[in-house]
Order: sequence, then C-alpha cells, then structure tokens
Amino acid sequence: DAGVTQSPTHLIKTRGQHVTLRCSPISGHKSVSWYQQVLGQGPQFIFQYYEKEERGRGNFPDRFSARQFPNYSSELNVNALLLGDSALYLCASSFRDNEQFFGPGTRLTVL
Amino acid sequence: AQTVTQSQPEMSVQEAETVTLSCTYDTSESNYYLFWYKQPPSRQMILVIRQEAYKQQNATENRFSVNFQKAAKSFSLKISDSQLGDTAMYFCAFMTWEEDKIIFGKGTRLHILP
Repeated sequence: DAGVTQSPTHLIKTRGQHVTLRCSPISGHKSVSWYQQVLGQGPQFIFQYYEKEERGRGNFPDRFSARQFPNYSSELNVNALLLGDSALYLCASSFRDNEQFFGPGTRLTVL
Repeated sequence: AQTVTQSQPEMSVQEAETVTLSCTYDTSESNYYLFWYKQPPSRQMILVIRQEAYKQQNATENRFSVNFQKAAKSFSLKISDSQLGDTAMYFCAFMTWEEDKIIFGKGTRLHILP
C-alpha cells in the first residue's frame, strides 16, 4: 500500500509570494495533519483536518490556511511568504486514532 | 501547556553498544500517549515506539525499549545492539487523548560509529 505522499518535494519561492503544498493520505485515512519543521528543530503542529472539518490549529498566523477535499487529500496554503517560512512541511495521516503516519515532506525555501 | 524536553542535542556511540536517549515532558493531563520518532537524513519521520500513559508496562519493539516513569514525567528510549542504520535524529513526542496534535521535542542527533 502507498504511504502518505506529498508534492512537490522541493520548492523555491521569493518573499511575498504564495505557495500551495499538497498531501495525499494513506487510503482509508480520514484525518490529515500538517507540521512545520524548521532546520534543527522538532516539527510544530499547524493544522489538523478530519472529514473535511478543521479539528485543530496551532499557533501560526492567518497567512497559513488549509483545506481537505472529499477524497481526504489536503492542501496547505501560505500567503505573503517570509524568509522565516523556510522549512520542511510534513503531512501526516491517521485513520481516526492516535497513530499518525508521516509523508516525506516538502522542503520550502524562501529567498 | 504541554512541553517535551530532550536534554541531549547530540550523542555518539560505537556500533553494537547500548545507548539511552532522555526525554522529560510536562502536562496536567491524565490520558496521553508518548512516542519516539526517528528521522534519518531521508527526512521520513518513522514511528519507533509508542507508550500509552495508562499502561504501567514499558513498551518494547525488538531492540528498542522505553523506561516510562509517569510520576517523574520521564520517557527514555534505550537502543540495544545499536546498528549503523540507527543513525538519525530521534524525537520524543507527546499527544493527549483529546487532541490529535503531536508535540515534539527538539530532538537528539544520534551517530552510530563503525
């Protein structure tokens, strides 16, 4: 079975631009969570969606938004990019309980 | 607020030795999960071991075991017979029953030396 997939693998943007990151969960998983991992740090929770509804939001500005589609895939959008948004963005999916399976991440570089 | 603290930024051990990674956490919740995740240079975050807080017995997965001290809020990971493939960043993490967000520590970079 395919694991969690994320696209693109790498992305380079300039300050002020907008970016969309995509995540496809494991088949049958209805929950998707997004995390930001700055170099040298542990991942920080951004959003969690379950059955297309936002279930949780971390301490991130409104420039960050997300949504989940009927097929349970998800998009993370970041507007007005800042240098500090450079990070590895991880997506994780779960069936309904606590075990989250992570994707390989999208490396975003903001110049 | 829940916090997870890993006091060892970096460790190195010889292959086949045993190594213990430390983790402490802080929470007022009674029901929660604790995890150790491994992140090799490939960046893929892999679950190593999981412990439910209500279970007194320490979790074990092959060469990996934990020492869970609930009263002390301590959750250390022991890797026995370490292998070169164990080289990675290791993150201690916490999650309550009510929320699905995982709180991670800052990580310990583990080097297994040949």
